[in-house]
Amino acid sequence: GAVVSQHPSWVICKSGTSVKIECRSLDFQATTMFWYRQFPKQSLMLMATSNEGSKATYEQGVEKDKFLINHASLTLSTLTVTSAHPEDSSFYICSARGGGPPFYGYTFGSGTRLTVV
Amino acid sequence: SQQGEEDPQALSIQEGENATMNCSYKTSINNLQWYRQNSGRGLVHLILIRSNEREKHSGRLRVTLDTSKKSSSLLITASRAADTASYFCATDGLTGGGNKLTFGTGTQLKVEL
Repeated sequence: GAVVSQHPSWVICKSGTSVKIECRSLDFQATTMFWYRQFPKQSLMLMATSNEGSKATYEQGVEKDKFLINHASLTLSTLTVTSAHPEDSSFYICSARGGGPPFYGYTFGSGTRLTVV
Repeated sequence: SQQGEEDPQALSIQEGENATMNCSYKTSINNLQWYRQNSGRGLVHLILIRSNEREKHSGRLRVTLDTSKKSSSLLITASRAADTASYFCATDGLTGGGNKLTFGTGTQLKVEL
């Protein structure tokens, strides 16, 4: 079945630094990838949708200059949290959707726990 | 913004009992999906029900969908301690930017021995 690999699974960084999270579709081409953020005991909030080769579409309230998304190939999307602050500490999950069947086609990565100290 | 509201927010039952979770949503959907998430982990896809379906079964899972009421329910029968997790509904709806999944608020299920 479809597999999405997300790395790193956890990261601790100092306030003010940038962190890059990778999301790879291993056995299918992901025309669209999604990035979610999840705070403890809360639901997943969609941050942005990225299509290969084009700019990401950000949800309302998400700072595009802070959360840089790059989807340069059909198998890789990256999320860079720039100038991270403690309030950016969260669980980030990516999801990939292929260009064709299966019809629901959403495959999730295992998530990245970011802690900013 | 959140698409779905789920209730209850938390549910505690004994092993062997059934667990029912409800999800309401606001806009038109192509399908509705249910996911499970163990604490601090990724999502596991459980079941999908299309907008033209009313009920679907998968093992101990039973999902219903009422598009007129914009609601769905997930029933887990004969629950086990291993079913302890958070459960989310997610609606797949067409938006200006294409299809995307929007998650409900989730139900935290605890199954006690």
